[in-house]
Amino acid sequence: NAGVTQTPKFQVLKTGQSMTLQCAQDMNHNSMYWYRQDPGMGLRLIYYSASEGTTDKGEVPNGYNVSRLNKREFSLRLESAAPSQTSVYFCAGMVEWTGELFFGEGSRLTVL
Amino acid sequence: DQQVKQNSPSLSVQEGRISILNCDYTNSMFDYFLWYKKYPAEGPTFLISISSIKDKNEDGRFTVFLNKSAKHLSLHIVPSQPGDSAVYFCAASFDSGGYQKVTFGTGTKLQVIP
Repeated sequence: NAGVTQTPKFQVLKTGQSMTLQCAQDMNHNSMYWYRQDPGMGLRLIYYSASEGTTDKGEVPNGYNVSRLNKREFSLRLESAAPSQTSVYFCAGMVEWTGELFFGEGSRLTVL
Repeated sequence: DQQVKQNSPSLSVQEGRISILNCDYTNSMFDYFLWYKKYPAEGPTFLISISSIKDKNEDGRFTVFLNKSAKHLSLHIVPSQPGDSAVYFCAASFDSGGYQKVTFGTGTKLQVIP
């Protein structure tokens, strides 16, 4: 029972490079979320998907895009990485209408 | 505009004593309040929640209290154990037109001293 799986766990990029963070869940969640965690800032919502095929912006969407092609997978793409995007990224699925989130283990991204 | 605030970045408690973590919120639309626990290099894990229609919820050593008039939430851990040492995030959620919007506080790092 994997829960929410994120890949890669670590990545180092140069400014301007692109990459995609992958997230897959086997918990049948309709809603999925991408957060970033920065020191002293808590967890901030980047994008969310209320259901398969739908996505919408959260608090800090600039510089990111997402894709929800099926119920299981929700990917986050950085088209042109910037040092300000150095962070730990968490994907999560939600138990419907409760706010209870199941998180992946995180992806630590460093942009040089 | 920080709608969920945890004003104590850190807390140290002796093993066996009570740990009290506090959280304040500003948005009256929140209808669920949650606590998450996070160990280093792991994702946050759900700990306990409370609906806005209740004022207390218990789960073993963990109790969450909600004071709606004061817009204040607290987590009590009794007795505290060294394994409870982690960062605790307070969170609050409401239905934002099609999805449950969850807002997190900045976290409180709890250290339980053996």
